[in-house]
Amino acid sequence: QVQLVESGGGVVQPGRSLRLSCAASGFTFSSYGMHWVRQAPGKGLEWVALIWNDGSIKYYTDSVKGRFTISRDQSKNTLSLQMNSLRVEDTAMYYCARSVGGTAVPGTDWFDPWGQGTLVTVSS
Amino acid sequence: QSVLTQPPSASGTPGQRVTISCSGSSSNIGSNYVYWYQHLPGTAPKLLIYRNNQRPSGVPDRFSGSKSGTSASLAISGLRSEDEADYYCAVWDDSLSGWVFGGGTKLTVL
Repeated sequence: QVQLVESGGGVVQPGRSLRLSCAASGFTFSSYGMHWVRQAPGKGLEWVALIWNDGSIKYYTDSVKGRFTISRDQSKNTLSLQMNSLRVEDTAMYYCARSVGGTAVPGTDWFDPWGQGTLVTVSS
Repeated sequence: QSVLTQPPSASGTPGQRVTISCSGSSSNIGSNYVYWYQHLPGTAPKLLIYRNNQRPSGVPDRFSGSKSGTSASLAISGLRSEDEADYYCAVWDDSLSGWVFGGGTKLTVL
């Protein structure tokens, strides 16, 4: 079955870096775009980044542009999120999700399934 | 402040019909598909409705979606205790070149 498993979360000081991973299985990873979505404690869902199936195009939410980098390793079926210059407000549960829909037009795809998430805490 | 506006809470008794609204603008709901997700705390969010009103296999037909202009709605009929969860609308925003989620609606089954 399709499965996404996030890892790499933890406690980190402001200004430091952290790299999240999402291991994908049960589907042809290279055929699907992938997302990162986060949820801060007590808050709603916030989309973070999208990478196309071939890695050629990436989108980011404004608050992480220049600090976060989404990437993928097709040989390892793994999605990554490199997070630099972390801020207290980046504290959240981070979920990876598969992009389903099959078109090249943003907004015509949907997030399915989602992983269980990995918790990132930025604190001094 | 979310780009998409949802009521923070909704409630109903078992068997009732409830609707959750999602209000946006011409750059998001007005020009793109709306999606709905269900999230129970501590679990992975789940797709409920895609492309405004389509239900994935496995989602009961008690759940339905609609869209008109710059607003969308999720309706849940025959409310059940297991429907108690947080519900989010999501849309691509052309101005932001990114996805936006509503603030979420916490549904309570009384």
